[in-house]
Amino acid sequence: AQKITQTQPGMFVQEKEAVTLDCTYDTSDPSYGLFWYKQPSSGEMIFLIYQGSYDQQNATEGRYSLNFQKARKSANLVISASQLGDSAMYFCAMREVLIQGAQKLVFGQGTRLTINP
Amino acid sequence: GAVVSQHPSRVICKSGTSVKIECRSLDFQATTMFWYRQFPKQSLMLMATSNEGSKATYEQGVEKDKFLINHASLTLSTLTVTSAHPEDSSFYICSGHRGYGYTFGSGTRLTVV
Repeated sequence: AQKITQTQPGMFVQEKEAVTLDCTYDTSDPSYGLFWYKQPSSGEMIFLIYQGSYDQQNATEGRYSLNFQKARKSANLVISASQLGDSAMYFCAMREVLIQGAQKLVFGQGTRLTINP
Repeated sequence: GAVVSQHPSRVICKSGTSVKIECRSLDFQATTMFWYRQFPKQSLMLMATSNEGSKATYEQGVEKDKFLINHASLTLSTLTVTSAHPEDSSFYICSGHRGYGYTFGSGTRLTVV
């Protein structure tokens, strides 16, 4: 079963507008972490923001904020004042804790964001 | 910040040959390194998890004998694609685990001709 779901294959936004990228997750583990990464056409994975399951406040990093709704199991990324350089693939990911403390990162399908001038 | 150096960034090889991809954690000790594969316009798929000094743990459906992973030190992990075929052409990317965070290499685009 898909554990991380991004339902928007593509998003088109005008420059300077805010944009919300959706992410829902599924886990029965009370301790988990949620990440957002940006992947430009060069392929590198750029870390944007992290939210821990026990964090009381929504995470913020500059123009990025995470709208964490634990009961709904959603962790949407909000980008304020979008810029042309924000055009890229965006991935939501969840840290899974396995047996004996091993961990792995599971990714959603990704959303391609295009910022129009 | 933490840096993972991945080489080569691009490689073209002939069918039947082997290719080695290296990932080095430059300023931290990566006890665990993750190896991912990404097909065009798709997400990252975890191939295997390697821990320093022990055998790698492969995800279901990933051939251990084809994708050899070695994690001989806390700063170096390698992925060798053996007897490469055109269907192995893909983008391979590693990630070092540090604390609660994950630092990715810049990726390797492999083309098998």
